[in-house]
Amino acid sequence: GAVVSQHPSRVICKSGTSVKIECRSLDFQATTMFWYRQFPKQSLMLMATSNEGSKATYEQGVEKDKFLINHASLTLSTLTVTSAHPEDSSFYICSARGQGAADTEAFFGQGTRLTVV
Amino acid sequence: AQKITQTQPGMFVQEKEAVTLDCTYDTSDQSYGLFWYKQPSSGEMIFLIYQGSYDEQNATEGRYSLNFQKARKSANLVISASQLGDSAMYFCAMREGRGGGSNYKLTFGKGTLLTVNP
Repeated sequence: GAVVSQHPSRVICKSGTSVKIECRSLDFQATTMFWYRQFPKQSLMLMATSNEGSKATYEQGVEKDKFLINHASLTLSTLTVTSAHPEDSSFYICSARGQGAADTEAFFGQGTRLTVV
Repeated sequence: AQKITQTQPGMFVQEKEAVTLDCTYDTSDQSYGLFWYKQPSSGEMIFLIYQGSYDEQNATEGRYSLNFQKARKSANLVISASQLGDSAMYFCAMREGRGGGSNYKLTFGKGTLLTVNP
């Protein structure tokens, strides 16, 4: 299957700082990218969907000013957690799809475990 | 109402035995897709199997099969001949409607933690 690379896999940051997470499609053009958040022992919750070159669409209850998503190219999307606080500590995972992709072709990154201290 | 319900928070199975993980779904769409993913402790999401709402045959992928009962709105995952490496979190997910581009949206259940005992 296609490869989606997410970086970093783990990050620890101080409260009040910003953290950027990258999601790259390595062997296909990702026209749509999805960002999920997963609390410990919980399900994946969709945070936002982005199409290349467009503003992201955020799910209800997700603060767009806090979770900045940029999808400036067909191979890269970034999620920036701004002014992070301990309650933002979570597992963040991206998923990417190409143009005209089949139903099963939503490829996930490896995830990023964020700890805010 | 929850769209995906996984009623088993945890399941135990003996190595080499079969196990069924339950999943029920709720949708009014005629076209939808059902997925099972495996998430080991490392966190990656591994796609296992898919069933389209119009597929008449139950999906199978190696040791994985999906018991699709449309009238009951259930899509249970059956793992045959369990292996120690099958120990992980398993998520059922649904894609509703004719999803393309940003209309594609997966809704996940709460997951079932499977432990395979030697």
